This record gives sequence, structure tokens and C-alpha cells, in this order.
Amino acid sequence: AQSVTQLDSQVPVFEEAPVELRCNYSSSVSVYLFWYVQYPNQGLQLLLKYLSGSTLVKGINGFEAEFNKSQTSFHLRKPSVHISDTAEYFCAVSDRRNNFNKFYFGSGTKLNVKP
Amino acid sequence: GAVVSQHPSWVICKSGTSVKIECRSLDFQATTMFWYRQFPKQSLMLMATSNEGSKATYEQGVEKDKFLINHASLTLSTLTVTSAHPEDSSFYICSAKGGAGFEQYFGPGTRLTVT
Repeated sequence: AQSVTQLDSQVPVFEEAPVELRCNYSSSVSVYLFWYVQYPNQGLQLLLKYLSGSTLVKGINGFEAEFNKSQTSFHLRKPSVHISDTAEYFCAVSDRRNNFNKFYFGSGTKLNVKP
Repeated sequence: GAVVSQHPSWVICKSGTSVKIECRSLDFQATTMFWYRQFPKQSLMLMATSNEGSKATYEQGVEKDKFLINHASLTLSTLTVTSAHPEDSSFYICSAKGGAGFEQYFGPGTRLTVT
């Protein structure tokens, strides 16, 4: 089965500093990759997705992620964070074996932006 | 577009009773709906996949007689937690996708507390 690893459970960062949230997956077949953000007591909101094409994907709220096939990674980055970015971020992967139907989620990374 | 709602947003019930959670796609026809469970400080775990008019497919370890899923129309799926116990307390999130699309749209979640 697919596994998704988010190594950092919590990432504290000061406002306006850059941030990188790491995500690694295990699949060796074609994958679709996603980053979602979850605010307290809310559902998931899609930040960005990689399906094919350019390995650098830009999403909402100034976030971007880079797909690295050789390292099976899809790290999320933002050059300058805001207080409002404080939330939990989930990486998700779907692959061809399940016809891209089943999503596997990482354990999440809590981003805490400090003033 | 692509809005998914859940009702109720939170519910408290007594041990031994049953509770039903609704998931609706408001502006698209959801051929497939998914039910996830999220434990505190953990990621989303897929419980089951339901296709409209068909029996749900449950993930390994999920009791189908305890978590009854009905997907009677293209815009509504329900999850009924039967004979609820305190260990069923959790955040339940549904998602939906339409047609041949792969992207899942997530509902805001339902927090269930069993006393």
C-alpha cells in the first residue's frame, strides 16, 4: 500500500520568514499529489495539486510545491508566511493502482506562525 | 463550484444510540463519495468508498455493520454510526467526486461525541 510521510509534526516559524513542509511518498508508479490545508474544526481545502507536466506547482495563498520523482518528494514552500497561514497541512497521494481513486494522507504538519 | 456540505457539524449522543451524518454535493453530481475518520492529532483514514446506487466498499478493519453507508442519489450520501460507543467519538469527513474526475472535494466535517 501507499504510504505518505510528513516528517515534521509541528513547524514553528516567524511571520514573513520562509517555510518548507516536507512530504515523501512510497509509490513507484504514476502518482497524483496534493496539499490540503485544514483550519480548526473545518474540512480540508485544496492548496495545490500535481498531475503531470511542470514539476513546480503553484497554488493558492502564495504556496508552491515541487515534485521530485527521484526522491519521491513533494515539499510545500512559501517564501513569506503570514499569521493567517497558521493551520494544519496535509499531503495526499493517489496512484494508478487504484485508478487514482483512493487518497492516502500524511499525518499532517501543524504550521505555527508567530508574530 | 464543487461545494460539499455535511450535516450536522457536530453531534453529541448517548452510548448505545445511533447517529446519522449527511454529506451533500451542492452544485455537482457526485458519482463517488468517500468517508474519512480523523482522530485527534492524526491524519484522515479512509473508511469507505460509495458509488451511487451501489453498496459501499469498506477499508480493511472498518465494521460495515457498525458504519452504515448509503449513497442513494448523486448528491447525497449518509453515514450512520450504529450503537455508538465513546471510542466512536471522532471527526468524520466526507468527500465527493464527480464523473471521471479524480479530484475529491471535502466537506467541513462532523464532530461526533459519544457520552
